[in-house]
Amino acid sequence: DGGITQSPKYLFRKEGQNVTLSCEQNLNHDAMYWYRQDPGQGLRLIYYSQIVNDFQKGDIAEGYSVSREKKESFPLTVTSAQKNPTAFYLCASSIRRGGVDEQFFGPGTRLTVL
Amino acid sequence: GEDVEQSLFLSVREGDSSVINCTYTDSSSTYLYWYKQEPGAGLQLLTYIFSNMDMKQDQRLTVLLNKKDKHLSLRIADTQTGDSAIYFCADASGGSYIPTFGRGTSLIVHP
Repeated sequence: DGGITQSPKYLFRKEGQNVTLSCEQNLNHDAMYWYRQDPGQGLRLIYYSQIVNDFQKGDIAEGYSVSREKKESFPLTVTSAQKNPTAFYLCASSIRRGGVDEQFFGPGTRLTVL
Repeated sequence: GEDVEQSLFLSVREGDSSVINCTYTDSSSTYLYWYKQEPGAGLQLLTYIFSNMDMKQDQRLTVLLNKKDKHLSLRIADTQTGDSAIYFCADASGGSYIPTFGRGTSLIVHP
């Protein structure tokens, strides 16, 4: 079955540590995204990538970094510079069908920084 | 900048219809989406509507678009407990394929 996987589902880290969240897709989609979700805040875009070896900052990129070395993979690193990293992180990929860009989401990773 | 607004909560009785409302500000929106998020999970695309349409129906779901008022609604007929989730409205314009999401409406269905 095609889809997007994120691991782990729950992640705990101590303050001051960098942590990398995994996102893999086997849908053959070119575009991939990272969102952050906080209660009552909706989704906020962190980074996105339209093609391998290229990515752009979203609305809240400060304190985060990404890489896109392979089409299937778009890992997100939450650095110690991110002031409030505890949140639910969602990865997505997209394809254009019938003139509409459809996003497919992974199950998310809940990061808690202690 | 672009903005998408939704009320945060809606409570309905099982079997009734639910209507979730959304307003947006981007007059160049090309299409608008409704996504569903179940607890602890990612978002799932429910349906979308092009900005040149007024209505779209898909089984129990009816989407109405009032482009003049920039108002979008999602009606769920015969709401079931399995419909309990957060529903996100999002819009996308021709200039950017990346959608702008609302804050989500938590739909609570009680017996």
